[in-house]
Amino acid sequence: NAGVTQTPKFQVLKTGQSMTLQCAQDMNHEYMSWYRQDPGMGLRLIHYSVGAGITDQGEVPNGYNVSRSTTEDFPLRLLSAAPSQTSVYFCASRGGTQETQYFGPGTRLLVL
Amino acid sequence: LAKTTQPISMDSYEGQEVNITCSHNNIATNDYITWYQQFPSQGPRFIIQGYKTKVTNEVASLFIPADRKSSTLSLPRVSLSDTAVYYCLVGPDTGRRALTFGSGTRLQVQP
Repeated sequence: NAGVTQTPKFQVLKTGQSMTLQCAQDMNHEYMSWYRQDPGMGLRLIHYSVGAGITDQGEVPNGYNVSRSTTEDFPLRLLSAAPSQTSVYFCASRGGTQETQYFGPGTRLLVL
Repeated sequence: LAKTTQPISMDSYEGQEVNITCSHNNIATNDYITWYQQFPSQGPRFIIQGYKTKVTNEVASLFIPADRKSSTLSLPRVSLSDTAVYYCLVGPDTGRRALTFGSGTRLQVQP
């Protein structure tokens, strides 16, 4: 199993540009989520999904959209990038006997 | 969602036992306590999970008192490679609700 994969690993955007961060998991987990982590800070929940077709907002949803058309994929869309969105973005899926969260390697985003 | 409170940072030396305590006063009946470890430039990874009393695995022990309003992660004989941020999470045992991370505890292990 590849676990949770994220693309790209690194991206530079200009203010106002849009882009999609990709996340996929091959563990057949129903629950997936997106977090952002600013330098020296903890993780903040952006959006999460408890299954295909179901999404909900986390702590910091503004400026981001998500959709969940399949169990495997959970893309995060930045509508109009702002410098405040410069961060590392982690995707996670949750499942297994202890409902463990498995994290992807992260996408480092720089908005100029 | 149950909020958690942890110390911001801790220092230790190689070979010592480290105990990190997390407070979660409004933990719900169906909530479990889970600890994650995060190294720089990596996503967090699962360490241990428990509901009550004591849980032990090959990496750590988790102590939970009867009232469950706090928990203590115990790392035996830490090494330099245990330098990381440790997060305490409280949430249900199903994937139907969001899990939020607090600020975590930054553990620095020195030689």
